Amino acid sequence: AQSVTQLGSHVSVSEGALVLLRCNYSSSVPPYLFWYVQYPNQGLQLLLKYTTGATLVKGINGFEAEFKKSETSFHLTKPSAHMSDAAEYFCAVSLLYNQGGKLIFGQGTELSVKP
Amino acid sequence: DAMVIQNPRYQVTQFGKPVTLSCSQTLNHNVMYWYQQKSSQAPKLLFHYYDKDFNNEADTPDNFQSRRPNTSFCFLDIRSPGLGDAAMYLCATSRVGEGQGEAFFGQGTRLTVV
Repeated sequence: AQSVTQLGSHVSVSEGALVLLRCNYSSSVPPYLFWYVQYPNQGLQLLLKYTTGATLVKGINGFEAEFKKSETSFHLTKPSAHMSDAAEYFCAVSLLYNQGGKLIFGQGTELSVKP
Repeated sequence: DAMVIQNPRYQVTQFGKPVTLSCSQTLNHNVMYWYQQKSSQAPKLLFHYYDKDFNNEADTPDNFQSRRPNTSFCFLDIRSPGLGDAAMYLCATSRVGEGQGEAFFGQGTRLTVV
């Protein structure tokens, strides 16, 4: 069975500081992994995705994530936090391999950015 | 351009009064999903349509039903809403076979039960 664990339900950083949101997955097959962002009272917006190929994935808004199979991790980073990055972030794994399939979400991490 | 559109954005309904939420898409995706998201929680899949085939999650209450009259539209029907059904309801779509598993989400409908 596939699952996702996000370490830390709440992360607080100062503006300009490094953002690191942790995600570990469990999958019996090569996973498709995603990071979504959700602003208050909004839907989910795709930040980036890993399917195959390059393990360092760049996304929108300066975010990137690295797929590390040996560590079963897909942590999200951004070198310099901006106030507009404050939101809820969800890591997810696609349940159906090689198909547009159901997503299994982690519990979410709320990112706060202090001025 | 909006690709997955949910209406309304906010819905207030009375306890026990049937309510329908709607979702439309311009992406021509063959899979449509309904998720329920309660405050400070991850989205929880209720069911999905793979083309015309309906797939219910095992723990989705019978109170929740869905219809997909055509590729573009999908509806969520709550037959007798209870206070516990107050949540954000998210519609999403994806295209099976492209091998990417990427889902596109609508803006959500926030349901309040009074």
